[in-house]
This record gives sequence, C-alpha cells and structure tokens, in this order.
Amino acid sequence: KAGVTQTPRYLIKTRGQQVTLSCSPISGHRSVSWYQQTPGQGLQFLFEYFSETQRNKGNFPGRFSGRQFSNSRSEMNVSTLELGDSALYLCASSFTGQSSGNTIYFGEGSWLTVV
Amino acid sequence: GQNIDQPTEMTATEGAIVQINCTYQTSGFNGLFWYQQHAGEAPTFLSYNVLDGLEEKGRFSSFLSRSKGYSYLLLKELQMKDSASYLCAVLNDYKLSFGAGTTVTVRA
Repeated sequence: KAGVTQTPRYLIKTRGQQVTLSCSPISGHRSVSWYQQTPGQGLQFLFEYFSETQRNKGNFPGRFSGRQFSNSRSEMNVSTLELGDSALYLCASSFTGQSSGNTIYFGEGSWLTVV
Repeated sequence: GQNIDQPTEMTATEGAIVQINCTYQTSGFNGLFWYQQHAGEAPTFLSYNVLDGLEEKGRFSSFLSRSKGYSYLLLKELQMKDSASYLCAVLNDYKLSFGAGTTVTVRA
C-alpha cells in the first residue's frame, strides 16, 4: 500500500515567486492536512481538508492557500514567497481526521528554499 | 491556546530504557500522538492514545492520563537507530498541535 506521496521533493524559488505543492493521500484516506516545519517554529498546522472542504486553518497569512480535489488529492500554494517561507512542508492523511483510532500518516515532505 | 511541553534532550545507553514525558494544556482533545523523526526526514507514526492507559507496541509503549494532561513514551531496549527526535502531538478539531520535540541520543 503506497504511503502519502508529495511532489516535488526539493525546490528552490526566488522571493516574490509562487509555488504549488502536491499531495496524494494514502488510498481510502479522505482527510488531508498540511504542516510547515522550520528549525525555529517547529511543526505548525496550515490547514486541513475533507471531501474538498476546509475544516480548519492555522494562523498563516493569506498568501498560503490550499485545496482538495474530488479524488482526495490536495495542493497547497504559497504566493509572493518570502525568505521566511523556506521550510519543510509536510502533508498528512487519515481516514477522517478525527479520533477513534484514526492514525495520521505523514508524507516525506517538500523542501522549499527561497533565495 | 495550545501548550505542549516535552524535554529538549535526553541521552541514554544502548540497551537501556528511556521515558519521554509530555504535558499538555489544550482547548480540546481528540487524542495524543507520538512520532519519531530522524534528521532530514519526515515524522513516522509511533503510537496513538485516546483513552487513559498504556498502549504497548513492541519496544515502544505510550501512556495517557487525560485528567492530568500527561503522556509518556517509553522506549525499551534502546538501539543506536533510535537516536532521533520524538514529537508529542495533540489532536483537536482536525489539527495536530506539536511539542518542540525531544532529541534522544543513544550512546554505545
């Protein structure tokens, strides 16, 4: 069974550009969430989607956006990139995103460097 | 708000046992997760507790007390490959809130 797949794995962008990251959840999983990890701030929640609906959003500026497609695949977009956006972006999936034995698995992440 | 605390670093000897504590104060609770993260890699799932008590999974066990806002991860028979960061995370409202992580160093 394939795990959570994220593309691209590594990318370098220039300040002011935009970037789109993609995530394919584990087959059958309908909840997809995104996290940003930096050495200074640790792992921080960006947003969560279920059946194409955003159910929760973290405290990030509007430059960060996401969406989910009918096949549960998800994308996140960061516009007008800043140096501080350099981070590991992690996608996680689960069946429903709620409790009751619902394990949440992470993908390998997309390493974004903004120069 | 969410406040999740865990020690920054721990060191132990190969073959020993280490216990990583996590205390939390969160606005809601749907479960507590433990993840292992090696440097430069993504977090991998270790355990999940939603009810009070001990969950055992091979060399790893996790305990939860919801009334005390407390959990611990127990690593037994430590191996060199267990050197990693261990993350405590609370699930609430479809969102995981993470502690800063505990770096465990296993020495020969």
